[in-house]
Amino acid sequence: NAGVTQTPKFQVLKTGQSMTLQCAQDMNHEYMSWYRQDPGMGLRLIHYSVGAGITDQGEVPNGYNVSRSTTEDFPLRLLSAAPSQTSVYFCASRGGQGNYGYTFGSGTRLTVV
Amino acid sequence: AQRVTQPEKLLSVFKGAPVELKCNYSYSGSPELFWYVQYSRQRLQLLLRHISRESIKGFTADLNKGETSFHLKKPFAQEEDSAMYYCALWRAQKLVFGQGTRLTINP
Repeated sequence: NAGVTQTPKFQVLKTGQSMTLQCAQDMNHEYMSWYRQDPGMGLRLIHYSVGAGITDQGEVPNGYNVSRSTTEDFPLRLLSAAPSQTSVYFCASRGGQGNYGYTFGSGTRLTVV
Repeated sequence: AQRVTQPEKLLSVFKGAPVELKCNYSYSGSPELFWYVQYSRQRLQLLLRHISRESIKGFTADLNKGETSFHLKKPFAQEEDSAMYYCALWRAQKLVFGQGTRLTINP
């Protein structure tokens, strides 16, 4: 049981490049979310999903796309990277029962130059 | 709108002193609240959830619906408590975070 796995751990992009941040969980959790963490801003919700095939926008969705084709995977796509997207990105998941809160991945530190 | 406010960005106390990290929420229904902790450059870890009323690492938090607060408390701070602490509210299938409080325990 690996929990929530994020790859890569570090990434440097040039402005305008695209990339996908991967997130996978093996706990059969229904809910999954992507957050970005910036100094003084806390964690801001980018996109979230309540189950396979269902996604919705969070607080700061512009410049990002997501899909949820399986319960396990929830990739985050940066369409055209901008320096403002330099941040630490966290993926998290939560089961529908038990209410133990979100389990977080270890994060991806992204720098856009 | 559902909001979570942590009024202190920074909090510094001495080892052995009591600690209280404040959290206020804005929500019209029955809230489901959590405290998360993040040690330096690590992932967020669940510290407490109000439903369980348990104590983890000596921390407790009581939900006060009248004051719409969920403050985190510990009677005697330890140096290993130095970390970033986030209060979070679950509602409408989303988890909304406060801006966090950086707690520093001085020896």
